Amino acid sequence: AQSVTQLDSQVPVFEEAPVELRCNYSSSVSVYLFWYVQYPNQGLQLLLKYLSGSTLVKGINGFEAEFNKSQTSFHLRKPSVHISDTAEYFCAVSNTGGFKTIFGAGTRLFVKA
Amino acid sequence: NAGVTQTPKFQVLKTGQSMTLQCAQDMNHNSMYWYRQDPGMGLRLIYYSASEGTTDKGEVPNGYNVSRLNKREFSLRLESAAPSQTSVYFCASSESRGEGYGYTFGSGTRLTVV
Repeated sequence: AQSVTQLDSQVPVFEEAPVELRCNYSSSVSVYLFWYVQYPNQGLQLLLKYLSGSTLVKGINGFEAEFNKSQTSFHLRKPSVHISDTAEYFCAVSNTGGFKTIFGAGTRLFVKA
Repeated sequence: NAGVTQTPKFQVLKTGQSMTLQCAQDMNHNSMYWYRQDPGMGLRLIYYSASEGTTDKGEVPNGYNVSRLNKREFSLRLESAAPSQTSVYFCASSESRGEGYGYTFGSGTRLTVV
């Protein structure tokens, strides 16, 4: 069975500071990994995804994530956040057949001026 | 703009009432999904349709039914609403159910059952 754990439910950070949102997964098979962002009162939007190849994946809005197979992690990072990055971020994992996608519980990122 | 359109955006129901949530996508995607989002629980899959003409249960199907009307439209019906169905409902679509395409989500329906 697959599972996804987002290690922080809330992350407060000051504007222009770096941020890391942590995601760990468990799976007995190869996986695809995703990060989605949800702005207030909106649906989820795909930020980035890892399918194969380079373990460092770059996404929209200056975000990037690194796949670490040995630690079964897929942490999301941004070197300098803006107020507009305030949102909820969801990590998701699917098996490489893609027939089952599991979402984490979400991490609320608060960017303070 | 191309994407996933959900209606209505907000709805209040009394316990026992029925309603249908509508979803349509214009991206020619094969697969469509209904999720519910509850605080601290992430998204949970209610039903999905891997392709036109097929539907299958997800993680939390009890109390719901679905119809894949055609390739564009996938509706979710609550036959007898219960307070436990108070949630935000999201429809999503993807090119196919496999191969890591990722999902495109609608903006959601906020449902309250009183």
